Amino acid sequence: DAGVTQSPTHLIKTRGQQVTLRCSPKSGHDTVSWYQQALGQGPQFIFQYYEEEERQRGNFPDRFSGHQFPNYSSELNVNALLLGDSALYLCASSLTTGLSNQPQHFGDGTRLSIL
Amino acid sequence: AQTVTQSQPEMSVQEAETVTLSCTYDTSENNYYLFWYKQPPSRQMILVIRQEAYKQQNATENRFSVNFQKAAKSFSLKISDSQLGDTAMYFCAFMKEAFGNEKLTFGTGTRLTIIP
Repeated sequence: DAGVTQSPTHLIKTRGQQVTLRCSPKSGHDTVSWYQQALGQGPQFIFQYYEEEERQRGNFPDRFSGHQFPNYSSELNVNALLLGDSALYLCASSLTTGLSNQPQHFGDGTRLSIL
Repeated sequence: AQTVTQSQPEMSVQEAETVTLSCTYDTSENNYYLFWYKQPPSRQMILVIRQEAYKQQNATENRFSVNFQKAAKSFSLKISDSQLGDTAMYFCAFMKEAFGNEKLTFGTGTRLTIIP
């Protein structure tokens, strides 16, 4: 049973460029959340996708956008990259049941470095 | 808005000893969940233990247990018989209860080192 998979593992970009990160959720999960983890900090919530729509959003600018596909996989896009966007980007998947909150399962993350 | 505070940036303990990591949180919600996640150098965030706020009984998972004090908004993690594989960053996290899934709000973490 495959867990949450993210690609690529590591990415180097320059300021002003655009980047796309990808996430495949754990089998059976339908909800994907993205987090940004700066060095030495805890993860910060970016947004969450369910039924191909953005359901929640954290305090991140519009340069951060996303998408969820019919197979529940998701992409995170960041435009006009800034040095401060350098971080570990974590994807987490879960199952929305409408009952109690289900635990989120995390991938290994994508390390994004901006030069 | 919820906040989670971990006041111990780093801790170390001898192998086989017991260690307690502290976490406090602030919320106006009555129904919520609290979690401890472990992040080893491999980067993957691994769920260690989960506590539902409506449950008075403290959660336990093998060598891991919590001390949940709802009135004090405190949620500490106790690791018994610590092992070298317990070396990692530990994050306390909060999630309010709602339809479906809510976001996790994390603390800044505690770096735990188990000394052989």
